[in-house]
Amino acid sequence: AQTVTQSQPEMSVQEAETVTLSCTYDTSESDYYLFWYKQPPSRQMILVIRQEAYKQQNATENRFSVNFQKAAKSFSLKISDSQLGDAAMYFCAYRSANSGTYKYIFGTGTRLKVLA
Amino acid sequence: DAGVTQSPTHLIKTRGQHVTLRCSPISGHKSVSWYQQVLGQGPQFIFQYYEKEERGRGNFPDRFSARQFPNYSSELNVNALLLGDSALYLCASSFDSGKGYTFGSGTRLTVV
Repeated sequence: AQTVTQSQPEMSVQEAETVTLSCTYDTSESDYYLFWYKQPPSRQMILVIRQEAYKQQNATENRFSVNFQKAAKSFSLKISDSQLGDAAMYFCAYRSANSGTYKYIFGTGTRLKVLA
Repeated sequence: DAGVTQSPTHLIKTRGQHVTLRCSPISGHKSVSWYQQVLGQGPQFIFQYYEKEERGRGNFPDRFSARQFPNYSSELNVNALLLGDSALYLCASSFDSGKGYTFGSGTRLTVV
């Protein structure tokens, strides 16, 4: 069975600085998707970035980028130029690419605090 | 376009009662999934429906059931509520779940 581990329950970053959130996963599959979701106090999960395992190039979305290390089964999220609005819970998620397997497996989350 | 809408936003029920939670997906999304998020944890997969058929079920007891209607909206039903069912219930819709879900803001269920 696949698992997702986020070992940092809480992180803090100064406004305008850079922070990296860690995520490791365990799977025997070769094709899958990885995601980072943000959950602010409003509770709505918001997709931040996604990575397809067959793509070697790391995904980027504006100030957000990932470091995808397939062999190490690591998928970290880097937030550059942190803003107060980035404060939230961040969840890493895995989804198999096998047809018929639709569930997302989430980690336990990392709470990010942004200090003014 | 409206996002994923869930109702109600908050609900308090007594042990042993049943509850129905509702979800309307984004227009054009035929897939709806349900997740349970207990305080301090990540969401746990309950069900996925696509074109009104169940496509996946998580490790939840038979007290949990769901269905999807012809307009792709969905209901999650929980019978014989337990205190441990208290959680945030999230609905998510997608056109292609490999590209990522769009989540609703959830229903906060409290069982007393």
